[in-house]
Amino acid sequence: GQNIDQPTEMTATEGAIVQINCTYQTSGFNGLFWYQQHAGEAPTFLSYNVLDGLEEKGRFSSFLSRSKGYSYLLLKELQMKDSASYLCAVKRDSNYQLIWGAGTKLIIKP
Amino acid sequence: KAGVTQTPRYLIKTRGQQVTLSCSPISGHRSVSWYQQTPGQGLQFLFEYFSETQRNKGNFPGRFSGRQFSNSRSEMNVSTLELGDSALYLCASSLELGGPGANVLTFGAGSRLTVL
Repeated sequence: GQNIDQPTEMTATEGAIVQINCTYQTSGFNGLFWYQQHAGEAPTFLSYNVLDGLEEKGRFSSFLSRSKGYSYLLLKELQMKDSASYLCAVKRDSNYQLIWGAGTKLIIKP
Repeated sequence: KAGVTQTPRYLIKTRGQQVTLSCSPISGHRSVSWYQQTPGQGLQFLFEYFSETQRNKGNFPGRFSGRQFSNSRSEMNVSTLELGDSALYLCASSLELGGPGANVLTFGAGSRLTVL
């Protein structure tokens, strides 16, 4: 079956670093996406990984290990505006459909 | 340029009624996909349209249907509403039909449906 696991909720402090994990078991793999969704708003694209390793984009980095079925999103120098849900999605290689995790709600405290 | 526009943003219906939701994609985007989002469930794929044809369909009952017009605007319809249909319905557009590579989706803000 298809399964994407993420923690339901995490809390971190402004200025700190937080790592949001995503593990997956899917039939076929053609890349992993991270999206950010603020409450009441549309999800917005953060990153895409298809090869193993770390992709850095400003304060945000995303890591992928295909052999372990594992990814994480690393957020540095946390700001209050980073309070949002972070969605992990895996693209299957058969029909290119995205399988989505339930999302991780990140709460940033001053 | 304008983003993905969904209407209506909020609506309340009763069981047994039907509802139609509309999505206008980003200009030039030809692919439109629909998702249902409920707390704790993540996004569930409904269907994807490209050039007025349904190209992919998720595991939803036949009460859920959609269509795409020649200008790429899309509508989805849910008939005989059930309480469990209460959710946020998100529309996303992309330049091309979903395929290999980073085919990034641009989402609308969604239509929040409450079924009483």
